Amino acid sequence: EAGVTQSPTHLIKTRGQQATLRCSPISGHTSVYWYQQALGLGLQFLLWYDEGEERNRGNFPPRFSGRQFPNYSSELNVNALELEDSALYLCASSLSGQAAQYFGPGTRLLVL
Amino acid sequence: GENVEQHPSTLSVQEGDSAVIKCTYSDSASNYFPWYKQELGKRPQLIIDIRSNVGEKKDQRIAVTLNKTAKHFSLHITETQPEDSAVYFCAANFGNEKLTFGTGTRLTIIP
Repeated sequence: EAGVTQSPTHLIKTRGQQATLRCSPISGHTSVYWYQQALGLGLQFLLWYDEGEERNRGNFPPRFSGRQFPNYSSELNVNALELEDSALYLCASSLSGQAAQYFGPGTRLLVL
Repeated sequence: GENVEQHPSTLSVQEGDSAVIKCTYSDSASNYFPWYKQELGKRPQLIIDIRSNVGEKKDQRIAVTLNKTAKHFSLHITETQPEDSAVYFCAANFGNEKLTFGTGTRLTIIP
């Protein structure tokens, strides 16, 4: 069974640009979560999608947004990039109503 | 607020000895407590989890204990091996399946 996949693995952008990150959950999982892991820091919750709906969002500005598609894959969009957005962005998935979350390999975003 | 505190931030243990990492959480309604292991450059890997209706859970050399009254839970690794070296994160849910993570413990196993 394939795990959570994310693309791209690395992304380099400049300040003010937009970034789009993609995630495919484990087959059968309908919930997708996004986390930000800044260098040397812990994981900060960004967004949670389940059955195509945004269920919860963390303490991040509105320029962080996303969506979940009918096949349960998800996209994270970051607008008006700032230098401090440089981080590893991790996606996780779970079965609907189940607590255990399984992570993808992440997308490392560098903002110059 | 939703808070998980994790200690220590770094831990060095002689190979073969035991390692213990502790976390406390703020919300008594939390009912799910996973532990993740993250090796350098890799994804966080779920290694063990526990629910609030259970006091202890074991899986080979790792175990997690939960004290609901004190709102703390601990990860125990016995007979440590070099491959146990990694950053370990605890987490707790605060409703709606959202996980709040501790700040991590860098565990180094000394051969």
